[in-house]
Amino acid sequence: AQTVTQSQPEMSVQEAETVTLSCTYDTSESNYYLFWYKQPPSRQMILVIRQEAYKQQNATENRFSVNFQKAAKSFSLKISDSQLGDTAMYFCAFMNRAGNMLTFGGGTRLMVKP
Amino acid sequence: EPEVTQTPSHQVTQMGQEVILRCVPISNHLYFYWYRQILGQKVEFLVSFYNNEISEKSEIFDDQFSVERPDGSNFTLKIRSTKLEDSAMYFCASSTAGYTFGSGTRLTVV
Repeated sequence: AQTVTQSQPEMSVQEAETVTLSCTYDTSESNYYLFWYKQPPSRQMILVIRQEAYKQQNATENRFSVNFQKAAKSFSLKISDSQLGDTAMYFCAFMNRAGNMLTFGGGTRLMVKP
Repeated sequence: EPEVTQTPSHQVTQMGQEVILRCVPISNHLYFYWYRQILGQKVEFLVSFYNNEISEKSEIFDDQFSVERPDGSNFTLKIRSTKLEDSAMYFCASSTAGYTFGSGTRLTVV
């Protein structure tokens, strides 16, 4: 079974600065997908970014980018130019190649301060 | 942009009662899912559904839970006899190449 670990329960960052959220996972598979989801106070789950394990290039989506280290089983999220609207819970998630279910980490609560 | 729609947004029920949570997945998606998030905890997989049958379920998805796709558009989660510990946010999702989550139903069992 896969496990996903987010070691930072809470983080804070000043507006306009950069912050990195950590995620590690454990799997015996070689092909899989990794995701970061944002959950604002409304509790909706919003996809931030996705990475296919077979791609060496790190995914980027505007101010959001990942550092994917397959050998280390690490998948961190970098948020550049942080905005107040980035304040939310962030969940890292793993999906195997069959794509049947997501396994989530415990989440990191990010507070962006003005 | 296509959405996954969940109703109701909030449901309060008495312990021991049956509840049905409803979802309308994105129309061309083939896989459907239910997840649960107890307040302050991680999101947990309950069940996946493909080709009109359950394809995978977790240990949480015991005999009090059932899913159905009654009319080709709706996808429902039934909890037969609710317990206090069933209080949680329930998320429906659908996918083809990527997941889309609904906005959730907050279930409160009193």
